[in-house]
Amino acid sequence: ETGVTQSPTHLIKTRGQQVTLRCSSQSGHNTVSWYQQALGQGPQFIFQYYREEENGRGNFPPRFSGLQFPNYSSELNVNALELDDSALYLCASSASPLPSTDTQYFGPGTRLTVL
Amino acid sequence: GENVEQHPSTLSVQEGDSAVIKCTYSDSASNYFPWYKQELGKRPQLIIDIRSNVGEKKDQRIAVTLNKTAKHFSLHITETQPEDSAVYFCAGHNTDKLIFGTGTRLQVFP
Repeated sequence: ETGVTQSPTHLIKTRGQQVTLRCSSQSGHNTVSWYQQALGQGPQFIFQYYREEENGRGNFPPRFSGLQFPNYSSELNVNALELDDSALYLCASSASPLPSTDTQYFGPGTRLTVL
Repeated sequence: GENVEQHPSTLSVQEGDSAVIKCTYSDSASNYFPWYKQELGKRPQLIIDIRSNVGEKKDQRIAVTLNKTAKHFSLHITETQPEDSAVYFCAGHNTDKLIFGTGTRLQVFP
């Protein structure tokens, strides 16, 4: 198993609410990438944080935002939740921002259900 | 940007047979292609990857081949076992992000 952890494991929210998901990166890693995985689909890139700065963003609206802390752990915040936000949210930790250079190791994910 | 297509979406094989999953990509600048295995309810785990400076890489029963001219790469699993049953994702990349295929559900029957 990787050293990447996520919390909480499961979460149920209602439409319009806000949610914060957390990710602890593997020791020695300075990069965290967040992905959304809808049921039956591959993970979709949300954004990446490198040394506390956003370092790339996928095709997700501004209500998806994030943070990275000095210890390189990270948060994903989603405002004004919609039903389509129901998914498994995965974070991936790596030693650099380039997947071609350093492997991304995934956490176990947070299953978000929006009712 | 990069687009990755994966086939087939489901694959059923008898234990001991081989399984092949194929992916195509669109960005000729892509140079790194990982494969992830995701068991039900678990995280994606890297099983093998290949960079564009080689055409084939092998790790025990798993191999990946890359054809840069045709822009496709394939995962080969030989002597399949029931524990190989999972969803397999190929990926390409666009600078800082992985672009995943839609996945192949592999079922290995005893």
